[in-house]
Amino acid sequence: EDQVTQSPEALRLQEGESSSLNCSYTVSGLRGLFWYRQDPGKGPEFLFTLYSAGEEKEKERLKATLTKKESFLHITAPKPEDSATYLCAVQALVDRGSTLGRLYFGRGTQLTVWP
Amino acid sequence: DTEVTQTPKHLVMGMTNKKSLKCEQHMGHRAMYWYKQKAKKPPELMFVYSYEKLSINESVPSRFSPECPNSSLLNLHLHALQPEDSALYLCASSQGRGGGEAFFGQGTRLTVV
Repeated sequence: EDQVTQSPEALRLQEGESSSLNCSYTVSGLRGLFWYRQDPGKGPEFLFTLYSAGEEKEKERLKATLTKKESFLHITAPKPEDSATYLCAVQALVDRGSTLGRLYFGRGTQLTVWP
Repeated sequence: DTEVTQTPKHLVMGMTNKKSLKCEQHMGHRAMYWYKQKAKKPPELMFVYSYEKLSINESVPSRFSPECPNSSLLNLHLHALQPEDSALYLCASSQGRGGGEAFFGQGTRLTVV
């Protein structure tokens, strides 16, 4: 059962062409939603944490938002160096009463920005 | 220091070999993780250590054996691996036990021949 679904799988943008990536989730008891950037052959790089609906976070050309069922990563005026795979992950407790949690990752959106 | 350091970066091993992957962090994080990632797939959780105790084992085959010697170090011992175990192995750490806001290492690219 997929708990995190990202769309589109791949996105090609011209430099300066703004767009959004989507992450929808079905996990119950959401503890947090996280965005990561991953370059080929490297480990994921943490970008944002979102905890509650309505929350927004920004970093340079990236802005992440959260609703009760999905999150968006908005990319404004992207540059070629923004090309990477963007992963969304949700945090859920392993069971009720536990403080131990784990991440469920989506399959990612592979973003290519060409000059 | 916000780095998670993994060694080696690349490893080629035969199916009868024994090798170990190492991970180190000095951020004072009390939770550490091993993930496996195949090409064009998301990271898959293998093990979670919380306060140096194994807390989650995602039904990983016994040919993978984790070890947490202290709060800064995490090892993954490999023995009798199969070619399908070839993947990028990622170590991560986080301040809390929740798994989120995890800092990842650069990974070890493992090839089993």
